[in-house]
Amino acid sequence: QKEVEQNSGPLSVPEGAIASLNCTYSDRGSQSFFWYRQYSGKSPELIMFIYSNGDKEDGRFTAQLNKASQYVSLLIRDSQPSDSATYLCALRGGGADGLTFGKGTHLIIQP
Amino acid sequence: SQTIHQWPATLVQPVGSPLSLECTVEGTSNPNLYWYRQAAGRGLQLLFYSVGIGQISSEVPQNLSASRPQDRQFILSSKKLLLSDSGFYLCASAGTQNSPLHFGNGTRLTVT
Repeated sequence: QKEVEQNSGPLSVPEGAIASLNCTYSDRGSQSFFWYRQYSGKSPELIMFIYSNGDKEDGRFTAQLNKASQYVSLLIRDSQPSDSATYLCALRGGGADGLTFGKGTHLIIQP
Repeated sequence: SQTIHQWPATLVQPVGSPLSLECTVEGTSNPNLYWYRQAAGRGLQLLFYSVGIGQISSEVPQNLSASRPQDRQFILSSKKLLLSDSGFYLCASAGTQNSPLHFGNGTRLTVT
């Protein structure tokens, strides 16, 4: 059974600071990892995906993957109030059977 | 890029009534399609997925069923709704089995 663990928060970060969101997983066979943002009452939207160990940067977002430690993180630089949302970590094994999601971390950016 | 249409956006149904939620996808062919449910305060739960017409895999045994009558159409059904079926139902699509999932806007179902 794949499990994805996230701290539910809320995580409160001042505007302009770096927000750091963390995720651990149990299945060592997991191959690809995703971060989604979900505003209250809305559907999840994809922010980033990462397949290989190391860092991947896209604008203000950086995803970090460490397969040995079974750890994925998302850094948000220069945090804005509009970044306030729930961030979902998800992973996929080797098949077509969808993504397994964590319960999400509620992030609050304080102006 | 693909677009995922779901309707209705909100639905209130009495216990014991039937359900039919429809999802259609534009901008891709032969996508992998998924139905997820998000109950209040809980994570996203995969209900069904499909890799092609008529091919349905169920992740969670329950009183729901799914069908894929056309390549880009995915339907979630129930013959008799339970109170526990309330939740936010999301259809998702992936172009290939390695692609990220993209979600529709969802249907918020309340069973009374």
